[in-house]
Amino acid sequence: QQQVKQSPQSLIVQKGGISIINCAYENTAFDYFPWYQQFPGKGPALLIAIRPDVSEKKEGRFTISFNKSAKQFSLHIMDSQPGDSATYFCAARGNNNDMRFGAGTRLTVKP
Amino acid sequence: DAGVTQSPTHLIKTRGQQVTLRCSPKSGHDTVSWYQQALGQGPQFIFQYYEEEERQRGNFPDRFSGHQFPNYSSELNVNALLLGDSALYLCASSFSGANVLTFGAGSRLTVL
Repeated sequence: QQQVKQSPQSLIVQKGGISIINCAYENTAFDYFPWYQQFPGKGPALLIAIRPDVSEKKEGRFTISFNKSAKQFSLHIMDSQPGDSATYFCAARGNNNDMRFGAGTRLTVKP
Repeated sequence: DAGVTQSPTHLIKTRGQQVTLRCSPKSGHDTVSWYQQALGQGPQFIFQYYEEEERQRGNFPDRFSGHQFPNYSSELNVNALLLGDSALYLCASSFSGANVLTFGAGSRLTVL
């Protein structure tokens, strides 16, 4: 069922560095691509999202880059902070209105 | 404003038993989706309820069933529990199937 492939599985970044997480999808019918952030013991929370007719979206330190022809999208976290340490999931909305999630990336930002 | 609330937060069952999980959506939301999140994995879509009917369903067996009540709250029922059903069950609400999902903290089910 999982049609979104996410990498890396885990990522360690120094404070102030750039965190980059990548996702690839197969189904061209996907029409909405969100990123979710999940802290231990909590449910996922929407971080930022993009539609396929846009190549980039930026909100504060978080940027999504979207490459429709390559069927890939990525999350960039600029000036990474220890408080950003969490698990990040990319997702894609299918034509049945269901959200397909990647397997997740555990980000650790070292002080 | 309360977000999505789920109960119970943790429960332990044995193989073959049945379980019911409950979800109250965020105020103003009318659509409820259920997801299963195995340890170290991303959430997997189980089904979505709107106007008290199952609107969409993922690749889950009929042992998984649900219900939505007139106040938009929802239940997830799992019959004949298997060890592999051990997971975090997440409820997410939205408004009329809009893109933005608001997740609850989940119900962690352990099947022994």
